[in-house]
Amino acid sequence: GQQVMQIPQYQHVQEGEDFTTYCNSSTTLSNIQWYKQRPGGHPVFLIQLVKSGEVKKQKRLTFQFGEAKKNSSLHITATQTTDVGTYFCARNAGNMLTFGGGTRLMVKP
Amino acid sequence: DGGITQSPKYLFRKEGQNVTLSCEQNLNHDAMYWYRQDPGQGLRLIYYSQIVNDFQKGDIAEGYSVSREKKESFPLTVTSAQKNPTAFYLCASSTRSSPGDTQYFGPGTRLTVL
Repeated sequence: GQQVMQIPQYQHVQEGEDFTTYCNSSTTLSNIQWYKQRPGGHPVFLIQLVKSGEVKKQKRLTFQFGEAKKNSSLHITATQTTDVGTYFCARNAGNMLTFGGGTRLMVKP
Repeated sequence: DGGITQSPKYLFRKEGQNVTLSCEQNLNHDAMYWYRQDPGQGLRLIYYSQIVNDFQKGDIAEGYSVSREKKESFPLTVTSAQKNPTAFYLCASSTRSSPGDTQYFGPGTRLTVL
């Protein structure tokens, strides 16, 4: 299937530092979803972006969808230990999702 | 409470044995999915079903089989033909009425084949 590439694969940050993960596609996306998976847990839906250039915020999390709808980013301001986990983007085609490889965030207290 | 349940949480089997993982949802969702996740990796789609008595292969269907006899249930059988079955298996469901709907995941089953 058509893939979405996520970078970086891993990120260690000191608590209080910012964090960004990027999701890139070679083809135009109809929409992009973001999920968070805590260690040992299951993915939980965070948000869906649909419009070109869309920006959505959830407290310290900022999600962006590129103007060309080929990339997206998730930015966390002032990370906390509760942010630890793996963040996945997923492209949607009908009711199927294709997940990126995820970015694993580790936060040092 | 509405949600998706998977059982058991941990499962051990001997090599060469078939094993069936259960997935039940009471969200009244039409679509259900099975994913496989290997350590440090993303999710790969095994099978999905958009309606009762119908299902389609995902990206890594070889060595797996499913059935969808009831809307609420989508069991996955890991057969002895699956060369490397040890993994974390996640079931998910979503509504089918509008593309782009959220997928809700169950807690997963960790299968270890000895």
